[in-house]
Amino acid sequence: DSGVTQTPKHLITATGQRVTLRCSPRSGDLSVYWYQQSLDQGLQFLIQYYNGEERAKGNILERFSAQQFPDLHSELNLSSLELGDSALYFCASSPGELTDTQYFGPGTRLTVL
Amino acid sequence: KNQVEQSPQSLIILEGKNCTLQCNYTVSPFSNLRWYKQDTGRGPVSLTIMTFSENTKSNGRYTATLDADTKQSSLHITASQLSDSASYICVVSAGTYKYIFGTGTRLKVLA
Repeated sequence: DSGVTQTPKHLITATGQRVTLRCSPRSGDLSVYWYQQSLDQGLQFLIQYYNGEERAKGNILERFSAQQFPDLHSELNLSSLELGDSALYFCASSPGELTDTQYFGPGTRLTVL
Repeated sequence: KNQVEQSPQSLIILEGKNCTLQCNYTVSPFSNLRWYKQDTGRGPVSLTIMTFSENTKSNGRYTATLDADTKQSSLHITASQLSDSASYICVVSAGTYKYIFGTGTRLKVLA
């Protein structure tokens, strides 16, 4: 158990819908990262927050957005869902940034029908 | 173009044997290189993180090497166990906040 929690574990929804994935980092960690893992694209970095501020953006679509709240939990919002958005979404946290070890949560499996 | 290539794609070895996984990258500017172990359907677990100045880093039976001149890294697993069966992913950070993932090596350890 990494100490990072993600809810829900599974999510099934229809195309065009909007969903919110939630992540609680390890106690004391200030950085939160979101990743997407699909069968055809492998793991991809989406976005990083540090102490409430957006730090970096990777391959995140405009239909996706995220935020980190004052209590340091984070939410990833996915809208206008398409079939291709079906994937495992992982959240990770680290104490700081750069060369810190990232601890991954168990992931949320999103299925878009 | 920033790329990370891993080889082999898959590997089958017998329990107790050693193996070496390769990671070649064309990433600039190089910041650090990470190796992760990922069991199917679970989140990756960090094995090692190496910066430009580090050549070798160990974590138990896992030893990673880095040659920044040739832009190559390897992960050596000693005395493999059944629990080592997993995907091993190499990730290179380009600059401060960009993460480039390899497609992974799928390792199967047989009894």
